[in-house]
Amino acid sequence: QKEVEQDPGPLSVPEGAIVSLNCTYSNSAFQYFMWYRQYSRKGPELLMYTYSSGNKEDGRFTAQVDKSSKYISLFIRDSQPSDSATYLCAMIPNTGNQFYFGTGTSLTVIP
Amino acid sequence: ETGVTQTPRHLVMGMTNKKSLKCEQHLGHNAMYWYKQSAKKPLELMFVYNFKEQTENNSVPSRFSPECPNSSHLFLHLHTLQPEDSALYLCASSQVLNSPLHFGNGTRLTVT
Repeated sequence: QKEVEQDPGPLSVPEGAIVSLNCTYSNSAFQYFMWYRQYSRKGPELLMYTYSSGNKEDGRFTAQVDKSSKYISLFIRDSQPSDSATYLCAMIPNTGNQFYFGTGTSLTVIP
Repeated sequence: ETGVTQTPRHLVMGMTNKKSLKCEQHLGHNAMYWYKQSAKKPLELMFVYNFKEQTENNSVPSRFSPECPNSSHLFLHLHTLQPEDSALYLCASSQVLNSPLHFGNGTRLTVT
């Protein structure tokens, strides 16, 4: 079983839609959770960083962690064509020595 | 220059060549990393350096050889690579070990 599972998509939505991106994981020791955005021909860029369970909001982006279900989500409100990218989830245990990444979900927002 | 800079952006090399990838970070971070990104696979950690000392070698073949002369610079020396080594090689840095990573734009490597 993979440590982190992420649906690769591709996901295609109209401009203005609410987007939900998700990852599940198997290791209950994961405590820190991140979402990265990667544009074509660029490196991943940190979008959101959360600790343990709960919600965190930053502008149009909301990160949600449900540790009881081992499930994390990234919501994008009022999606824009500039949000078209691949979104990677990542996580690490409290005393961990490496990050575990999902395979990424490819998102296209159509004008 | 700000952030994490990687050179070259693209590299094509034959299986008998020797080449090096370079990474420089301008963030004042203490940890630096090499990752391999292949299509449809999660990022694979290759090497970790903390205050110039290597702390992780994730069972990487010896044809990849890292070098970290100081906290701002990281190299990946390549020799006798295989076609399956073709991938995007990403350098990252973090303020302290295992705090959120800041990535460069990668070197797209093609081995022919």
